[in-house]
Amino acid sequence: EVQLLESGGGLVQPGGSLRLSCAASGFTFSTYGMTWVRQAPGKGLEWVSGISGSDGSTYYANSVKGRFTISRDVSKNTLFLQMNSLRVDDTAIYYCAKGDNYVGSWGQGTLVTVSS
Amino acid sequence: EIVMTQSPATLSVSPGERATLSCRASQSVYSNLAWYQQKPGQAPRVFIYGASARATDIPARFSGSGSGTEFTLTISSLQSEDFAVYYCQQYKNWPGTFGPGTKVDFK
Repeated sequence: EVQLLESGGGLVQPGGSLRLSCAASGFTFSTYGMTWVRQAPGKGLEWVSGISGSDGSTYYANSVKGRFTISRDVSKNTLFLQMNSLRVDDTAIYYCAKGDNYVGSWGQGTLVTVSS
Repeated sequence: EIVMTQSPATLSVSPGERATLSCRASQSVYSNLAWYQQKPGQAPRVFIYGASARATDIPARFSGSGSGTEFTLTISSLQSEDFAVYYCQQYKNWPGTFGPGTKVDFK
């Protein structure tokens, strides 16, 4: 069974940083692309960043480009999202997701709140 | 970036009725289109991928159709557990943009 467990969310001031982690199990992590998707309170889904399973290429939404960095440690089956220069409108639940095209499995999400 | 739109924003339906949800892409995504269901307080769940393939354990009352820029999700006979928000997503190009969602609620 695929399991994705996010951690690292919390309250941070504008301009601050957070690093999200996602521990993956139940599948061969090194061979799959992975994605971060977020959902602001009461809003829809927004694709944030992805990392290709084939060549490790990374992609970012325009709204986070230059501020967020996606990476992974295949030895620890863990996906990361380094978030810098956080803004109030980055407040959302951040979901870790298996797949770099459609999302086959989702984590339960971790809440990031950016507020002074 | 490919922009996805969905209609209607809210669909009020009675149990047992048929529901038809629409999704449109700003340019062709071929069949690279998925549908997700999300219930309050839960993560989304994939229901349809490849525009028409049902994901694992998804009931046959759910069907997807379309290609290019116009897509449809049909629920043939709504059950109580189907009342939720449905999102479409294109994955032809990154970013894999989502539509704004259609909320299916009780009539």
